[in-house]
Amino acid sequence: ETGVTQSPTHLIKTRGQQVTLRCSSQSGHNTVSWYQQALGQGPQFIFQYYREEENGRGNFPPRFSGLQFPNYSSELNVNALELDDSALYLCASSPDRVGANVLTFGAGSRLTVL
Amino acid sequence: DQQVKQNSPSLSVQEGRISILNCDYTNSMFDYFLWYKKYPAEGPTFLISISSIKDKNEDGRFTVFLNKSAKHLSLHIVPSQPGDSAVYFCAARANAGKSTFGDGTTLTVKP
Repeated sequence: ETGVTQSPTHLIKTRGQQVTLRCSSQSGHNTVSWYQQALGQGPQFIFQYYREEENGRGNFPPRFSGLQFPNYSSELNVNALELDDSALYLCASSPDRVGANVLTFGAGSRLTVL
Repeated sequence: DQQVKQNSPSLSVQEGRISILNCDYTNSMFDYFLWYKKYPAEGPTFLISISSIKDKNEDGRFTVFLNKSAKHLSLHIVPSQPGDSAVYFCAARANAGKSTFGDGTTLTVKP
């Protein structure tokens, strides 16, 4: 059983650029959630995807967008990068939308915006 | 407004002793609570959980206690081991929705 894999592990961008982060969910999981973890803070919910549709969104601006593909993998896109977007971005998958309480996390993608 | 708070950023205990990590929440709609453990360069991993209809759940060395009237939960680790040294996050969910996390407590278990 493969876990959640994320790529890239580290990347550096400059302010104003765009970034795409990728996530492969755990086998058998069809729901993917994205979280942003700033230094010294806990993970903050960005959004969740279930069966290729956004199913819940946190307090993040529209320049944060996502996709889920038929194989349940997912992308997080961030446009017009700002310095405060520097963080660890965590992808988590779960078996289904209803009653799925436990998240399986990837190791994250660390984004640095200069 | 932070709905899940872990007021102790760090905790240091001696190997073999009890570790107690605390978490407070404000949202009465939370009905499921989880603890995750995070090692450096890894994602958080699920440790133990408790439903709001219970007040205690035990799994080996780990026990979670829930006090709904006080909106407080705690994680007890007995006995503590050096391998338990990690960041511990408390999380809460309402109606199978998003998980809301605290800022974490760094536990150091000294040999």
